[in-house]
Amino acid sequence: NAGVTQTPKFQVLKTGQSMTLQCAQDMNHNSMYWYRQDPGMGLRLIYYSASEGTTDKGEVPNGYNVSRLNKREFSLRLESAAPSQTSVYFCASRAGQGFGSVGGYTFGSGTRLTVV
Amino acid sequence: AQTVTQSQPEMSVQEAETVTLSCTYDTSESDYYLFWYKQPPSRQMILVIRQEAYKQQNATENRFSVNFQKAAKSFSLKISDSQLGDAAMYFCAYRGNYGGATNKLIFGTGTLLAVQP
Repeated sequence: NAGVTQTPKFQVLKTGQSMTLQCAQDMNHNSMYWYRQDPGMGLRLIYYSASEGTTDKGEVPNGYNVSRLNKREFSLRLESAAPSQTSVYFCASRAGQGFGSVGGYTFGSGTRLTVV
Repeated sequence: AQTVTQSQPEMSVQEAETVTLSCTYDTSESDYYLFWYKQPPSRQMILVIRQEAYKQQNATENRFSVNFQKAAKSFSLKISDSQLGDAAMYFCAYRGNYGGATNKLIFGTGTLLAVQP
């Protein structure tokens, strides 16, 4: 099925461990986003990639790095996990490009990450 | 910077009744989009309804409708004939229409809706 695929769906890390969250979309979308969802705080943007080859910081980028490997894939890396990074992570993509484009957003099903 | 505020952390409605979820936003832009997303326990983010700021007519999707008050920067969601399947977290979101492909969704903190049988 066309859409945004995130792996893994669940992960438990120990403090200080590293890991990469994978995201891939097969809709030929240009823009991709990583959000984290925490209780009482909604979804907050970590990083985004407006197009292949570009990445930019969002609202809460500290402790994360990203790679836009190609047009399909946008990964999020935690180099040294901390308990404060316990959250649900969502990847999203959007087709629209250019000024004034609406472009619908498609979200992955999320990764629940626990750092102990 | 744009902000989105949902002042109702939790709401409850009886099955078949109507409920309204509130959302206010702050922006200096004149052209933008507003969204309501539904997140059931499965965590999937589902677009419920979308409103373009330049349109005066309120958007409607079956039992879901919005009351968009641009001057007041208010964007409430009305759910009519509530069903058990409407129980979920609802997020209000904003996206500006400047900056092309870099535009990002800005979310409120969510309203958890319970539907009582």
